[in-house]
Amino acid sequence: AQTVTQSQPEMSVQEAETVTLSCTYDTSESDYYLFWYKQPPSRQMILVIRQEAYKQQNATENRFSVNFQKAAKSFSLKISDSQLGDAAMYFCAYRSVGSNFGNEKLTFGTGTRLTIIP
Amino acid sequence: KAGVTQTPRYLIKTRGQQVTLSCSPISGHRSVSWYQQTPGQGLQFLFEYFSETQRNKGNFPGRFSGRQFSNSRSEMNVSTLELGDSALYLCASSLEYSTDTQYFGPGTRLTVL
Repeated sequence: AQTVTQSQPEMSVQEAETVTLSCTYDTSESDYYLFWYKQPPSRQMILVIRQEAYKQQNATENRFSVNFQKAAKSFSLKISDSQLGDAAMYFCAYRSVGSNFGNEKLTFGTGTRLTIIP
Repeated sequence: KAGVTQTPRYLIKTRGQQVTLSCSPISGHRSVSWYQQTPGQGLQFLFEYFSETQRNKGNFPGRFSGRQFSNSRSEMNVSTLELGDSALYLCASSLEYSTDTQYFGPGTRLTVL
């Protein structure tokens, strides 16, 4: 079974600075998807960024980018120019591709609580 | 395009009762998944439906069940509620099964007294 590990329960960053959240995962599959979701105090889970494992190029979405290291099974999220609205719980998630029928659910890490310091 | 909607948003029940939660996916999405979120266990997968068929099921007791209708709306039911069922229940929809990004609703907060 796949596992996702987020080793940083809490992180803080000064407003306008850059922060990196870590995520590692364990899988024997070669094709899969990785996601970062944020969950602000409203509890709404919001997609931040998605990475397909077969793509070597790291995904970017405005101020958010990932460092995907497939061999190391590492998937970190970098937030540049941090803003107060970035304060949230961030979850890393893994999803199998359909070749492994019945195992395509999202597997989440335990989350990293990000605090933005004004 | 409207997002995923879940009703009700908040629910208080007592032990032994049953509860039904509803989820309406994004228009055009055919896959609906359910997750339970608790402080102790984190986010855990309950089940996924696609084209009215359960395609995937998590490790939850049979008290947890669900279904999907022809318009892709989904319901989940929990019978004989226990205190430990208190949680945020999140629904997510995706365009197709397995390979697509899941978009989440705001959740239903269930409290069991």
